[in-house]
Amino acid sequence: GESVGLHLPTLSVQEGDNSIINCAYSNSASDYFIWYKQESGKGPQFIIDIRSNMDKRQGQRVTVLLNKTVKHLSLQIAATQPGDSAVYFCAENRGSFKTIFGAGTRLFVKA
Amino acid sequence: DGGITQSPKYLFRKEGQNVTLSCEQNLNHDAMYWYRQDPGQGLRLIYYSQIVNDFQKGDIAEGYSVSREKKESFPLTVTSAQKNPTAFYLCATKTGTSGGTYEQYFGPGTRLTVT
Repeated sequence: GESVGLHLPTLSVQEGDNSIINCAYSNSASDYFIWYKQESGKGPQFIIDIRSNMDKRQGQRVTVLLNKTVKHLSLQIAATQPGDSAVYFCAENRGSFKTIFGAGTRLFVKA
Repeated sequence: DGGITQSPKYLFRKEGQNVTLSCEQNLNHDAMYWYRQDPGQGLRLIYYSQIVNDFQKGDIAEGYSVSREKKESFPLTVTSAQKNPTAFYLCATKTGTSGGTYEQYFGPGTRLTVT
């Protein structure tokens, strides 16, 4: 069935390096994508979003890239810090009220 | 966790007992959601409600029930029919404004353990 998934379950990076977290989606009709960060024992927090009519969006230290041709989404975190250690979920909006979440990638930041 | 309260944070129950998880919001959002999260996995939708007195089943509604009598409240009951109820339960809200942003706001979660 259709799903939003992630290429890697874990990612380990050195503090100060850039991190890239990838996500594949299968529903070409989806029009909105979101990245969430979830710290241990807490609810997910919104990081950044992108609409399907865009291919790049930048926030503070984060950039989301959308490649609709290959149905691929990525989250880039610049100068990764220990506080960035968390699980990152991509999510796909299918209609106004329902969101489909991927399985998540756990990011470890080494000091 | 911005205006969404889930209580309690940890809940322990014996098998065969129903248990109700609380979710309250002061964000004035129309839509509310319940998700289940198992270790190392993503979020699975249990139920959602777009407006008061209306709700729809999500992908894994069996063994769960909800009510939406007030805009601020969306309690989830985990019944004894739910075969594997131990999990982390997350409540979320979203503004129902058509054409607006679609991000969801999450509560801090309730970790339910059934033995």
